[in-house]
Amino acid sequence: GQQLNQSPQSMFIQEGEDVSMNCTSSSIFNTWLWYKQDPGEGPVLLIALYKAGELTSNGRLTAQFGITRKDSFLNISASIPSDVGIYFCAGLNGGATNKLIFGTGTLLAVQP
Amino acid sequence: GVTQSPTHLIKTRGQQVTLRCSSQSGHNTVSWYQQALGQGPQFIFQYYRKEENGRGNFPPRFSGLQFPNDSSELNVNALELDDSALYLCASRFAGEETQYFGPGTRLLVL
Repeated sequence: GQQLNQSPQSMFIQEGEDVSMNCTSSSIFNTWLWYKQDPGEGPVLLIALYKAGELTSNGRLTAQFGITRKDSFLNISASIPSDVGIYFCAGLNGGATNKLIFGTGTLLAVQP
Repeated sequence: GVTQSPTHLIKTRGQQVTLRCSSQSGHNTVSWYQQALGQGPQFIFQYYRKEENGRGNFPPRFSGLQFPNDSSELNVNALELDDSALYLCASRFAGEETQYFGPGTRLLVL
């Protein structure tokens, strides 16, 4: 099935460092979303972006919807140990089905 | 929130399995996703008002039901080894984009 290209695949950082990850697609989306998944849990929505060029923050998280509508990035500032998990981007084109197309995921490990 | 049962399941190839999901209160649309190890979730299908109204690239042996209380089931017949995965359901209110995911059922096919 279709998956978005997400990079990096994994990151191992020290507590307090900033993190950046991005997601690209060959097709455009009307909505970009970023999810975090902890082990044994389902994905939890972090940030939703609805307009090309939009920059949105949620606490230490900042995400942008690319101008071409084919990419998005997520930044995490001043990382803390509880930021550990797998981060997924997802694209959405709405309509009746509202099918999410997920990225391949970025595994984040934070060393205290 | 969204709940799913069972949490874990082991089956053998060729068997059939039923997974259950209880949607968040007030949600009338449910979607099912398959997440293979190390991958992002893949859309299986969506149900609204007890009808399937969208399907991903999955064969007919993957089927579902949605009940009047907005709970739902995912049924998989003739299990194959590649069906081993985490199965996630997500619910939302029709007309809203935000989907809320359950914790998933981890299925292992031997």
